[in-house]
Amino acid sequence: DARVTQTPRHKVTEMGQEVTMRCQPILGHNTVFWYRQTMMQGLELLAYFRNRAPLDDSGMPKDRFSAEMPDATLATLKIQPSEPRDSAVYFCASGATPGQGANEQYFGPGTRLTVT
Amino acid sequence: AQSVTQPDIHITVSEGASLELRCNYSYGATPYLFWYVQSPGQGLQLLLKYFSGDTLVQGIKGFEAEFKRSQSSFNLRKPSVHWSDAAEYFCAVGPPGYQKVTFGIGTKLQVIP
Repeated sequence: DARVTQTPRHKVTEMGQEVTMRCQPILGHNTVFWYRQTMMQGLELLAYFRNRAPLDDSGMPKDRFSAEMPDATLATLKIQPSEPRDSAVYFCASGATPGQGANEQYFGPGTRLTVT
Repeated sequence: AQSVTQPDIHITVSEGASLELRCNYSYGATPYLFWYVQSPGQGLQLLLKYFSGDTLVQGIKGFEAEFKRSQSSFNLRKPSVHWSDAAEYFCAVGPPGYQKVTFGIGTKLQVIP
């Protein structure tokens, strides 16, 4: 049963600390998305990658957020330094090669981040 | 620019009753349309999708949706709701052949006995 995995599932940290969230996309998927979900803003796209290259990170605060794909099986989202307003659930999603029909996204379970 | 409107933030239905969740989109041509469901503490799961062909599409868990170009709508329906359908439902729209989509704000469904 192929699925997207995310670690950690929960993270509580103090303001100013670095936070790293990890995502393992479904094997063979070449597109990875990072989303942030809050009550106020709903689901926001932070960044997405295709074949490990960033295609769009316009939704990500550049001063403190960074996203990378060190290899095809790992995507990371880092926040440094973290702030209380970063508290949210962060989702990773992956998808197969575009253009082959309407390609859906497969979501991971999310990382619930609390910054105190 | 593409956009999605889900006018109902919260809906309550009785178990066994029919359900319709509304979704209106804004896009210049025929988009790709999706409905996702999110159970508490979980990620989003695809219910169904439309990109061409028959405007009535069937999905998982007994859901269906109808694409109406004239109304720019893609409403989700289920004839008889089960308590396990209580969740949040998201409509999404994207350009054809392109994976980046825009999600609606979501509709939270409550099912009462």
